[in-house]
Amino acid sequence: GAGVSQSPRYKVAKRGQDVALRCDPISGHVSLFWYQQALGQGPEFLTYFQNEAQLDKSGLPSDRFFAERPEGSVSTLKIQRTQQEDSAVYLCASSSQTSRGYFGPGTRLTVT
Amino acid sequence: AQKVTQAQTEISVVEKEDVTLDCVYETRDTTYYLFWYKQPPSGELVFLIRRNSFDEQNEISGRYSWNFQKSTSSFNFTITASQVVDSAVYFCALSEVNAGNMLTFGGGTRLMVKP
Repeated sequence: GAGVSQSPRYKVAKRGQDVALRCDPISGHVSLFWYQQALGQGPEFLTYFQNEAQLDKSGLPSDRFFAERPEGSVSTLKIQRTQQEDSAVYLCASSSQTSRGYFGPGTRLTVT
Repeated sequence: AQKVTQAQTEISVVEKEDVTLDCVYETRDTTYYLFWYKQPPSGELVFLIRRNSFDEQNEISGRYSWNFQKSTSSFNFTITASQVVDSAVYFCALSEVNAGNMLTFGGGTRLMVKP
């Protein structure tokens, strides 16, 4: 595909469950970003990869959040022991060295 | 640290009115980018514009125009002759080259255009 894809698009988890959210960036894009968008707010930075290296994870809200990009392409954001406050839309963006970021459609996570 | 403020949380206009969305930013870097995104009810972020900190020329694209003023750290967005399809949440964002180009977003302005 030509754009960034994310799966699943919607995820409902019971409190305490683990979830894994996937991002397929645009082919060849070295940079990959994860953002969290709570209802009624702007997206907030979570973490940043350049190829397989996680260069910044300062935005991850707790040690229950973990992201990886083992081969420098697909990335997975994992949330362990989900809590209600984790309910949000999780956005992924990728970019090349010179381009702007291209956003995926997001994964809407609802924790019940 | 960088910060983006969109003081208008919600604006309501009648179709064909002009509307300006305000954006004020803070950064200590001299090299940065400013962005506007549209987020319709479907939820995806639609890219509208990127400007770099060295280009203060105003830009016009159809009914959209942007006014970048470094002296006041503002990057305002005007929609001329608004249409119902312009109804959405609009986000202003900043990225600093020295911060890995991650985006800092404002809180967004919800624009409602009534027929």
